[in-house]
Amino acid sequence: GQNIDQPTEMTATEGAIVQINCTYQTSGFNGLFWYQQHAGEAPTFLSYNVLDGLEEKGRFSSFLSRSKGYSYLLLKELQMKDSASYLCAVLDSNYQLIWGAGTKLIIKP
Amino acid sequence: DAMVIQNPRYQVTQFGKPVTLSCSQTLNHNVMYWYQQKSSQAPKLLFHYYDKDFNNEADTPDNFQSRRPNTSFCFLDIRSPGLGDAAMYLCATSRGEGDGANVLTFGAGSRLTVL
Repeated sequence: GQNIDQPTEMTATEGAIVQINCTYQTSGFNGLFWYQQHAGEAPTFLSYNVLDGLEEKGRFSSFLSRSKGYSYLLLKELQMKDSASYLCAVLDSNYQLIWGAGTKLIIKP
Repeated sequence: DAMVIQNPRYQVTQFGKPVTLSCSQTLNHNVMYWYQQKSSQAPKLLFHYYDKDFNNEADTPDNFQSRRPNTSFCFLDIRSPGLGDAAMYLCATSRGEGDGANVLTFGAGSRLTVL
């Protein structure tokens, strides 16, 4: 079967750095997405990786290693508004999006 | 601003009473999706349309139906809601081709409560 694993919950301090990991086992690979979802709201797109390496976008960066079936989302200079769930999703060989259950990130002052 | 709009934001219904949720988009995207999301779970794809081509996920119950009368609108009908259908229903769109073909833009969601 297809599977996306990410930690259920993480806690970090305002101003610090946090890395949210995602491992996947899917039927093929056509890209990996990270979405941010605040409580009670819809997900919003953060990043897309299809090639190995690091993609940087402001305070957020996303890394992919296809050979290891692994990605991480790195958040720097954490702000209270970054408290949210972070969803990892992989596009498989049929262009179906396989979702993880999300990592709830709690930011403490 | 181009966007995806869902109505209603909150819907309360009684067990077995039909419900229709609507979604409209001004992004001119080819693909429209309906997802069901329960608390602390991954979104679950119910249906998607590429233009008028309808795609039903294999495990979507018959209780759920969908219509896309034109490229801008999509509806989700729940014929006989059960307690297990209480969830957030998310509409999303994507280009379907070209740059960012598979990046999803979501509406704000419709939260369904079943009494």
